[in-house]
Amino acid sequence: DAGVTQSPTHLIKTRGQQVTLRCSPKSGHDTVSWYQQALGQGPQFIFQYYEEEERQRGNFPDRFSGHQFPNYSSELNVNALLLGDSALYLCASSSVWGNEKLFFGSGTQLSVL
Amino acid sequence: LAKTTQPISMDSYEGQEVNITCSHNNIATNDYITWYQQFPSQGPRFIIQGYKTKVTNEVASLFIPADRKSSTLSLPRVSLSDTAVYYCLALTPMNYGGSQGNLIFGKGTKLSVKP
Repeated sequence: DAGVTQSPTHLIKTRGQQVTLRCSPKSGHDTVSWYQQALGQGPQFIFQYYEEEERQRGNFPDRFSGHQFPNYSSELNVNALLLGDSALYLCASSSVWGNEKLFFGSGTQLSVL
Repeated sequence: LAKTTQPISMDSYEGQEVNITCSHNNIATNDYITWYQQFPSQGPRFIIQGYKTKVTNEVASLFIPADRKSSTLSLPRVSLSDTAVYYCLALTPMNYGGSQGNLIFGKGTKLSVKP
């Protein structure tokens, strides 16, 4: 049973570019949450998707957007990249019927030059 | 802001028991205490969760006193592979208005286990 998978594992972009990160949730999970983790900090909540809709959003600008597909997989898009967007981006999945425990992927390390 | 406070770092030696204390003076009545472990270049991993008294699983024990203003994660006989960052979170259940996916992480406690 595969856990949460994210792709790519590493990515290098330049300022102003756009990036798309992908996440496949754990089997049986229907909810996907995205987090940004800067070096030395704890993960910060970006947003959550359930039933293909954004259900909750953290304190992130509109440059950060997402999507959830009918198979529950999800994408995180970041437009007009800034140097400060360099971070580890984590995807976490859960089941709305579950016990609220989150399962995290290994993340995508994004470097903006 | 995180609802919890914990030490920035701790050092230990292999075979010792490690206790990491978390302060949550203003925890809500319905909040659970949840701990996650994170290794470098990996996502956090759920360790243990409790409401009060003591909870034990195959990885750790969690002690929460009656006033619930603090809690202690206990790792028995640590090994080098327990070197990681440990996060203490106060989690509001969904049926009390919480969000399943919106966890508020602080900076965590960086545990270093030495040989």
